[in-house]
Amino acid sequence: SQQGEEDPQALSIQEGENATMNCSYKTSINNLQWYRQNSGRGLVHLILIRSNEREKHSGRLRVTLDTSKKSSSLLITASRAADTASYFCATPSEKLTGGGNKLTFGTGTQLKVEL
Amino acid sequence: KAGVTQTPRYLIKTRGQQVTLSCSPISGHRSVSWYQQTPGQGLQFLFEYFSETQRNKGNFPGRFSGRQFSNSRSEMNVSTLELGDSALYLCASSWTSGGPYNEQFFGPGTRLTVL
Repeated sequence: SQQGEEDPQALSIQEGENATMNCSYKTSINNLQWYRQNSGRGLVHLILIRSNEREKHSGRLRVTLDTSKKSSSLLITASRAADTASYFCATPSEKLTGGGNKLTFGTGTQLKVEL
Repeated sequence: KAGVTQTPRYLIKTRGQQVTLSCSPISGHRSVSWYQQTPGQGLQFLFEYFSETQRNKGNFPGRFSGRQFSNSRSEMNVSTLELGDSALYLCASSWTSGGPYNEQFFGPGTRLTVL
């Protein structure tokens, strides 16, 4: 089952505009990761935010985390055509024996940046 | 540092056959996780190996199996292939298993088509 749900499912913007994607999750977490996937290819790791962090930046990316609302957002500023991709949030599974690396992914946001 | 590599990148098989996929993690990483991605089910966790031991397993039938070698390379095997096994298979590499700081890095995937 999908732990996270991204919103919106699809987003179309013009180059230079900002893109914001939201992710909601269901269980308590110790971190949340965002990934980008270009059309049928592998996932590219964008950023990891820990549960004790509220905001994190990496280049044109800004991620926020609100553990009280069980939600996160990814902001891409000054978007480029090359940012066109699907974006996923992923959270570690809570119910693992002795820890582990099982990630539960959201359904993804398809971002299209037009020239 | 070289990234996660997966071989082969593309594979076409027929129903009833078996297939073995390979994943080489980033040097120094000891955890390898496998995921299946389909348009209908999204990204789903198959299993994780850490230091040659399976740590966690997803909700997949016994036809899906894996192993990890002493050099951390991992293989995934699917026996008696079904049409529904057609998917992008992704492996993820990380330095350790679990924890709030544990980033997971994905390979480019193996696209399996079952005819």
